[in-house]
Amino acid sequence: EAGVAQSPRYKIIEKRQSVAFWCNPISGHATLYWYQQILGQGPKLLIQFQNNGVVDDSQLPKDRFSAERLKGVDSTLKIQPAKLEDSAVYLCASTVSRDTQYFGPGTRLTVL
Amino acid sequence: ILNVEQSPQSLHVQEGDSTNFTCSFPSSNFYALHWYRWETAKSPEALFVMTLNGDEKKKGRISATLNTKEGYSYLYIKGSQPEDSATYLCAFRQGAQKLVFGQGTRLTINP
Repeated sequence: EAGVAQSPRYKIIEKRQSVAFWCNPISGHATLYWYQQILGQGPKLLIQFQNNGVVDDSQLPKDRFSAERLKGVDSTLKIQPAKLEDSAVYLCASTVSRDTQYFGPGTRLTVL
Repeated sequence: ILNVEQSPQSLHVQEGDSTNFTCSFPSSNFYALHWYRWETAKSPEALFVMTLNGDEKKKGRISATLNTKEGYSYLYIKGSQPEDSATYLCAFRQGAQKLVFGQGTRLTINP
């Protein structure tokens, strides 16, 4: 069974530029999560989708971050414009229930 | 705001030694406690999901215990090997809420 795929693996941008990350969850997993992991901290949930609907986006900085999951399968997370403090690893995870979440390898973003 | 604390933040252990570290979480309205292992440049890998007070789970040389009444879980590694070098994350779920992660324990095994 293929795991959660994410791309790109690494991205370096200048502040005020835009960036987008892509995630393809495990086939059949209805729930998809995006996490932000800043160095020295635990992963923080940004947004949770159930199929193509948003369940929780309470910690998503909506002035600059957006996410979509149009067909209930893959998802994109966008930052526009990026700030220095957005430097982090962005993890995507998926699950069929509220039990184990399966993670992708993450995208490491550096904002200069 | 839920607070999940892991200690120590980092740990260096000689190959062959055993080690353990702690995850502390709120003791009210417990639903589940997850442990993940995250090796550099790889995906976080699920180790255990623990739901019952007194649970003990084992996977090879790694085991975990759970005390929901006092709000802590221990992760033990017996006979550490270089491949055990990773960040170990715990994540707590309270009721129907989202997972809240600790900051992780970074384990380095010295050959």
